[in-house]
Amino acid sequence: QEQLVQSGAEVKKPGASVKVSCKTSGYTFISYYIHWVRQAPGRGLEWMGVINASGGSTKYAQRFQGRLTMTRDTSTSTVYMDLSSLTSEDTALYYCARGRTMVRGSPLAYWGQGTLVTVSS
Amino acid sequence: EIVLTQSPGTLSLSPGERATLSCRASQSVSSTHLAWYQHKPGQAPRLLIYGASSRATGIPDRFGGSGSGTDFSLTISRLEPEDFAVYYCQQYDSSPYTFGQGTKLEI
Repeated sequence: QEQLVQSGAEVKKPGASVKVSCKTSGYTFISYYIHWVRQAPGRGLEWMGVINASGGSTKYAQRFQGRLTMTRDTSTSTVYMDLSSLTSEDTALYYCARGRTMVRGSPLAYWGQGTLVTVSS
Repeated sequence: EIVLTQSPGTLSLSPGERATLSCRASQSVSSTHLAWYQHKPGQAPRLLIYGASSRATGIPDRFGGSGSGTDFSLTISRLEPEDFAVYYCQQYDSSPYTFGQGTKLEI
């Protein structure tokens, strides 16, 4: 049974960075891509980027270029999302999600439970 | 970047009625690369439809998707109480894999 379990809620000050983890199980980790999606309060879903769990290559949405880093640890089947230079606009629920198929452009069939990141002074 | 525009923003219906939600793309999307999700408060989004018209595993057949090019739709044939939620379309044809802004389906 495919599972994605995310780390707990975070409270950060403006200008700081946050690192959210997504531990996967129940499937062959390196065979799939992991995406990150966020939802700010009262807003819709926003796709942030994707990482190839096998080779580690990444693709980020333009608006996050320069402050978003996705990495993975194949020994623990875990993906990390690191967002820097936080502002109040980054307060959101962050989700990791796995594609339905083994290609980068794939519908998101399996989701983590979400991690609330609050940015406040 | 492909912009997806969903309409209406809010749809007010009753159980048993039929719901039709629209998703329009700013440029053509391969029909094999359009998905629909259901999102309820406190839960992760749930994949309903992929490839514009294929139901995901475990999705009831009252949910149906159609469309091609720039115009897509999600139809719920007979609304059940548990169907009232926010629905999003997403294109996974070209990065960034954008979402629409959502349609809230309310009683």
